[in-house]
Amino acid sequence: DAKTTQPPSMDCAEGRAANLPCNHSTISGNEYVYWYRQIHSQGPQYIIHGLKNNETNEMASLIITEDRKSSTLILPHATLRDTAVYYCIVRVSDDMRFGAGTRLTVKP
Amino acid sequence: DGGITQSPKYLFRKEGQNVTLSCEQNLNHDAMYWYRQDPGQGLRLIYYSQIVNDFQKGDIAEGYSVSREKKESFPLTVTSAQKNPTAFYLCASSEQGFSSGANVLTFGAGSRLTVL
Repeated sequence: DAKTTQPPSMDCAEGRAANLPCNHSTISGNEYVYWYRQIHSQGPQYIIHGLKNNETNEMASLIITEDRKSSTLILPHATLRDTAVYYCIVRVSDDMRFGAGTRLTVKP
Repeated sequence: DGGITQSPKYLFRKEGQNVTLSCEQNLNHDAMYWYRQDPGQGLRLIYYSQIVNDFQKGDIAEGYSVSREKKESFPLTVTSAQKNPTAFYLCASSEQGFSSGANVLTFGAGSRLTVL
């Protein structure tokens, strides 16, 4: 079973920020939070990861709450090409488990 | 360019036949993984290998087999014992296994297997 909970779907207007939430209430102190996305029929693409601090790269920002029980992936200016399934996963000791993710649809 | 190459991209097989999916990486990664994805579902782990000549079963290993004779190669065989083999198969690799620190996965483009 995945250790994370995500909404099944979200919509976002093109050019607006997309904020994708993830709950990981049972996360352990040394477990990282990772975000990947998968465009239809392609392999998942790594976006960003973090442990405690907020992180930013050229693709997105990751905001992790102080208690580390939840996080938010932010796509600052969503484009139509950002339409995909977004997976939030927490590293487990012996595997990386992907749940169903959030299907983000960016609309014109 | 460094990356992971999966082949074939599409594969059809008859019931009762074994089929082998290829996965090659030139990233010099120690760990490699195989996932299965069914329509509208997340990824499920089949097998993973943290080092050459060693591999472990994931959540759904029954009906599958793997080998890791070389660091860069991790082929997956779908045997006739796998009752519902039609799926999208994804191979991934990471610098290290699960021992410590961050573990970012790099995925291949996938292989779609259809059993006729």
